[in-house]
Amino acid sequence: IAGITQAPTSQILAAGRRMTLRCTQDMRHNAMYWYRQDLGLGLRLIHYSNTAGTTGKGEVPDGYSVSRANTDDFPLTLASAVPSQTSVYFCASSDRVHNEQFFGPGTRLTVL
Amino acid sequence: GQSLEQPSEVTAVEGAIVQINCTYQTSGFYGLSWYQQHDGGAPTFLSYNALDGLEETGRFSSFLSRSDSYGYLLLQELQMKDSASYFCAVPYNQGGKLIFGQGTELSVKP
Repeated sequence: IAGITQAPTSQILAAGRRMTLRCTQDMRHNAMYWYRQDLGLGLRLIHYSNTAGTTGKGEVPDGYSVSRANTDDFPLTLASAVPSQTSVYFCASSDRVHNEQFFGPGTRLTVL
Repeated sequence: GQSLEQPSEVTAVEGAIVQINCTYQTSGFYGLSWYQQHDGGAPTFLSYNALDGLEETGRFSSFLSRSDSYGYLLLQELQMKDSASYFCAVPYNQGGKLIFGQGTELSVKP
């Protein structure tokens, strides 16, 4: 089934631990994005990638890193998690500039 | 900088019409999108306006006025399943990255 998958669905993490959130799409979209969603703050862009091999910083990149080794995968890494990174994380992809973005089901992350 | 403003909550009754407004401030304009999100699930795309005027898709319509930096989402014949959060969004630049408004929570009552 075409779409975006994210793993894990949810995770509780101790502060200071390293964590990688996985995102895979099978739609062959060039562009991929990571957002975080906090109550009352809507969706905020963390990092993005316009094509495999390139990445860029979004609105709130600090404390996060990404890589884009191929078209399908776009993992998000928290090198040393802090409680303020408790949030719901959504991965998205799109095939053309300005066109619709397709979102994954999200990962609910709690950092204690 | 870029920012969007939309009401935090709207309540309407089943069968009615509701309008969700969005005003934006951007350094350049590359279109206005609307997304729907149910109960914290995956946001889904509803519409995109690049030019002034009304775009209609079934019960949902979206309007844009670039001169007023304003748009709205119009939902007709409201159904209970329309209860959700609605987000307007604009691209940062021509690269497709989006900045979202804080969302409007629509509650549809019987």
